[in-house]
Amino acid sequence: KQEVTQIPAALSVPEGENLVLNCSFTDSAIYNLQWFRQDPGKGLTSLLLIQSSQREQTSGRLNASLDKSSGRSTLYIAASQPGDSATYLCAVTGTASKLTFGTGTRLQVTL
Amino acid sequence: NAGVTQTPKFRILKIGQSMTLQCAQDMNHNYMYWYRQDPGMGLKLIYYSVGAGITDKGEVPNGYNVSRSTTEDFPLRLELAAPSQTSVYFCASSYFGQEGSGNTIYFGEGSWLTVV
Repeated sequence: KQEVTQIPAALSVPEGENLVLNCSFTDSAIYNLQWFRQDPGKGLTSLLLIQSSQREQTSGRLNASLDKSSGRSTLYIAASQPGDSATYLCAVTGTASKLTFGTGTRLQVTL
Repeated sequence: NAGVTQTPKFRILKIGQSMTLQCAQDMNHNYMYWYRQDPGMGLKLIYYSVGAGITDKGEVPNGYNVSRSTTEDFPLRLELAAPSQTSVYFCASSYFGQEGSGNTIYFGEGSWLTVV
């Protein structure tokens, strides 16, 4: 059974810092990995999708990497801003195209 | 472009009542999903569908039923509601090609359900 772990569970950083969120998964037989953002009381918004054949994806200040063989992904956020405060979830797509989610990292960016 | 639309947004049910959460997508996606999210937990898959007429159980299907009569709609039915079903429910959709590679998954805004 696929298990997805996210570390840390919560993180508080001052504005302007660069930061890294970690995601690990136990079964490397995945189709892709996605990073999502969830604001309080809202649904999930997809940030980046990395296909299993890719190593990284970039969107603006966000960069996600994937090392499928070691079962790890990182989400790098450059020059953090208070508007980045949210919960960040990673999810892997495995057999039968089902997604397995981590429990998320709650990020707070302070002024 | 509506994306994934869920209704209702909020609902309070009494123990033993039944209800249906509606979900519709207008992106012609073949895959649709229902997840529940409990406080401090990740999303758990309840049911999913790979196309009209095809549904399958996820990780936590007990107490729920689904149907997929059209590509667009994927309602989730709660029979005999229990307090353990108090949660936030998310519907989602995605497109998977023949090679199995998937595209971005899109989520609805969630349905907050309380069973008292």
